[in-house]
Amino acid sequence: GIQVEQSPPDLILQEGANSTLRCNFSDSVNNLQWFHQNPWGQLINLFYIPSGTKQNGRLSATTVATERYSLLYISSSQTTDSGVYFCAGGYGGATNKLIFGTGTLLAVQP
Amino acid sequence: ETGVTQTPRHLVMGMTNKKSLKCEQHLGHNAMYWYKQSAKKPLELMFVYSLEERVENNSVPSRFSPECPNSSHLFLHLHTLQPEDSALYLCASSHRMTVGGEQYFGPGTRLTVT
Repeated sequence: GIQVEQSPPDLILQEGANSTLRCNFSDSVNNLQWFHQNPWGQLINLFYIPSGTKQNGRLSATTVATERYSLLYISSSQTTDSGVYFCAGGYGGATNKLIFGTGTLLAVQP
Repeated sequence: ETGVTQTPRHLVMGMTNKKSLKCEQHLGHNAMYWYKQSAKKPLELMFVYSLEERVENNSVPSRFSPECPNSSHLFLHLHTLQPEDSALYLCASSHRMTVGGEQYFGPGTRLTVT
């Protein structure tokens, strides 16, 4: 099955700093998502990005499918960006099973 | 995100109790999922229902019993659980597609087994 590796595991930033989170996949995927998990456990969809580049406000993501990795960029970080960021990938199809990475714990300090 | 709702949000149960978790999606999707998130572990898929038929079961113990009566509702029936079953249980939904299919998650039920 797919193996998903995320880096770094932990990240501490000062407010206003930029950061890049990385996700590597052991195999090609048809479904790739980035999530932010808030302190209450809710997984918030950030990007659905099997390939290409997308931007949403201060966040953007790029997936290079041929090289099996995806990057999440956070610019001008705010304290509300704190939490755990997960990437997940899957083959889609009848089961549409998502395999999650272990996450990046981000703490943005004022 | 109110597209996928879960109840209850918190549940404490003894090892001999029987309880059920409920998930409802309002997104017009036709596939639903149960995931388990234990402390310090990645989310693990437990069950997948597509068009109300179970299509995946990742060798989950029989003390967890899913039910999908229609494409909008998903239940997880719990009985004789163990303390190690304490975790955050997340429901998700998506369109059933041959390729891809963005999943949307509910807020989760935090379960404690005493």
